[in-house]
Amino acid sequence: NAGVTQTPKFQVLKTGQSMTLQCAQDMNHNSMYWYRQDPGMGLRLIYYSASEGTTDKGEVPNGYNVSRLNKREFSLRLESAAPSQTSVYFCASSESGFSYEQYFGPGTRLTVT
Amino acid sequence: QKEVEQNSGPLSVPEGAIASLNCTYSDRGSQSFFWYRQYSGKSPELIMSIYSNGDKEDGRFTAQLNKASQYVSLLIRDSQPSDSATYLCAVNREDDKIIFGKGTRLHILP
Repeated sequence: NAGVTQTPKFQVLKTGQSMTLQCAQDMNHNSMYWYRQDPGMGLRLIYYSASEGTTDKGEVPNGYNVSRLNKREFSLRLESAAPSQTSVYFCASSESGFSYEQYFGPGTRLTVT
Repeated sequence: QKEVEQNSGPLSVPEGAIASLNCTYSDRGSQSFFWYRQYSGKSPELIMSIYSNGDKEDGRFTAQLNKASQYVSLLIRDSQPSDSATYLCAVNREDDKIIFGKGTRLHILP
């Protein structure tokens, strides 16, 4: 089992460019999450999908959109990247909701210039 | 008061000793608690979850939960240099949202 996979691993964007971060899990989990991690700020939830067909905002959703493509895949889109979105992005999944253990992907390191 | 508080460290512990990591939380209705380990440049890796008051042991790791005092701790016995990492505490609040602490950096001294 690969667990949670993310692509790409690294990305450099110019201000205003768009991109989509891809995430897939093979653990048959119902819930998936997107986090960003910044120095001194810890992990912050951007969006989550409690189950296939649903998405909800987390703590820091502004500037992002998500799509739960199917049970396995959950993508994060930056429509117009800003330097403030420079961060490390992690996707995670859990069996069913926040009360269950979450398993993280390897992360995407994004730099916006 | 911050929702989930951890001492940022670094916490230096001699090899072979017990490392004790602490976490306090503000939401009294929180029900689920998690410890993650994160090596520099890597993603968080689940160590343990705990849901009930008391101790839960898994190998060299013991999680302790005291809901009345609103703290959760992680003990690492027989600390090894490979345990050097940042340890994240995560708490599932009563409104079913998860909050991560900023982590404690642990350094095991050979």
